[in-house]
Amino acid sequence: DQQVKQNSPSLSVQEGRISILNCDYTNSMFDYFLWYKKYPAEGPTFLISISSIKDKNEDGRFTVFLNKSAKHLSLHIVPSQPGDSAVYFCAASEESGGGADGLTFGKGTHLIIQP
Amino acid sequence: NAGVTQTPKFQVLKTGQSMTLQCAQDMNHNSMYWYRQDPGMGLRLIYYSASEGTTDKGEVPNGYNVSRLNKREFSLRLESAAPSQTSVYFCASRYSTSTGELFFGEGSRLTVL
Repeated sequence: DQQVKQNSPSLSVQEGRISILNCDYTNSMFDYFLWYKKYPAEGPTFLISISSIKDKNEDGRFTVFLNKSAKHLSLHIVPSQPGDSAVYFCAASEESGGGADGLTFGKGTHLIIQP
Repeated sequence: NAGVTQTPKFQVLKTGQSMTLQCAQDMNHNSMYWYRQDPGMGLRLIYYSASEGTTDKGEVPNGYNVSRLNKREFSLRLESAAPSQTSVYFCASRYSTSTGELFFGEGSRLTVL
């Protein structure tokens, strides 16, 4: 049973517009959420995170929103740039429960920024 | 700054052969992880080592063994490779045993014929 779900395998957005990537989770014990970005033939790189005590975290063009009651988070990229074209993974962990087993990842969303 | 280094980057095996994927980190991290990435499946945890001297199974451990050789190194061994183990393997590490982001290596692409 998939605990972290990214239901959109791909998303195409015009350069300069807002990109919104969505993620849902089923495990109510998750309390720390992250987004990773992955280019082809490279390892995933950390982008931004949010703790469950917050509902928003911002870092430059990237903002993550968390809705705990809906078990939903989203990543907003404004404005979208060609270099943002990549696969984005949502990840979660249960840190209050120990968290030693790392992160649980979604299947990823391939974001394509159109010129 | 090397970060997390994986070797080899590419490997082709025949069914039944064995091999070891090597991983080393130079960030003084305590925890290390092995994930596999398959098309449409995301990243799935194979094994992890929360601290030096400990290893535990992840979501998909069957067919694999691991060794935490020291604080820096964490290897993944396939004793008898199967085509289902064709995948891209990522090693990751982090300082804390329970919190924070993981730092990933560049990946090792393994094909089992």
